[in-house]
Amino acid sequence: EVQLVESGGGLVQPGRSLKLSCAASGFTFSNYYMAWVRQAPKKGLEWVATISTSGSRTYYPDSVKGRFTISRDNAKSSLYLQMNSLKSEDTATYYCARPEYSEGYFDYWGQGVMVTVSS
Amino acid sequence: DIVLTQSPALAVSLGQRATISCKTNQNVDYYGNSYMHWYQQKPGQQPKLLIYLASNLASGIPARFSGRGSGTDFTLTIDPVEADDTATYYCQQSRNLNTFGAGTKLELK
Repeated sequence: EVQLVESGGGLVQPGRSLKLSCAASGFTFSNYYMAWVRQAPKKGLEWVATISTSGSRTYYPDSVKGRFTISRDNAKSSLYLQMNSLKSEDTATYYCARPEYSEGYFDYWGQGVMVTVSS
Repeated sequence: DIVLTQSPALAVSLGQRATISCKTNQNVDYYGNSYMHWYQQKPGQQPKLLIYLASNLASGIPARFSGRGSGTDFTLTIDPVEADDTATYYCQQSRNLNTFGAGTKLELK
């Protein structure tokens, strides 16, 4: 059974940093691209980052480019999201998700972890 | 950026058909595939994949759900609607990076 379990969320002040983790199990982690998707309170879904199987290629929307960094450790079956220069608009539930490589849909999602950016 | 437009809400009666639309400002077709996908999200839960590549039913999803469309116009149909289908439904394109629609909240009359 595929499982994605996020951790590392919490309350952080504007301008500070936070690192999220996602522990994956139930599939060969190193064979799959991975991604983060977020959802602000009472709002819709927003894709945040995608990383290739080796970690050599990363993709971001303009809203987080230069502030967020996605990374992975295939030996530990773990995905990470380093978030710097956090803003109040980054407040959201962050989901770890597995995208199908060539077609791009997200077939598995974690339960999500809440990040609150507030002073 | 590819923008996806969905109606905010839809109310249908139990046993009737629900049709949810998603329109894009750019063509999301590529080499015979439409890179449009649909998700269901219930309050407090993560999204669940329903339909991929416009019309393919995801594993474990009942045949009451179906998708169609191409180019810039897509629909998700639920027929017949059951009480458990009350949720918010999102479309997503993966033709150029990823973007989601704002979601359509399905309610029962």
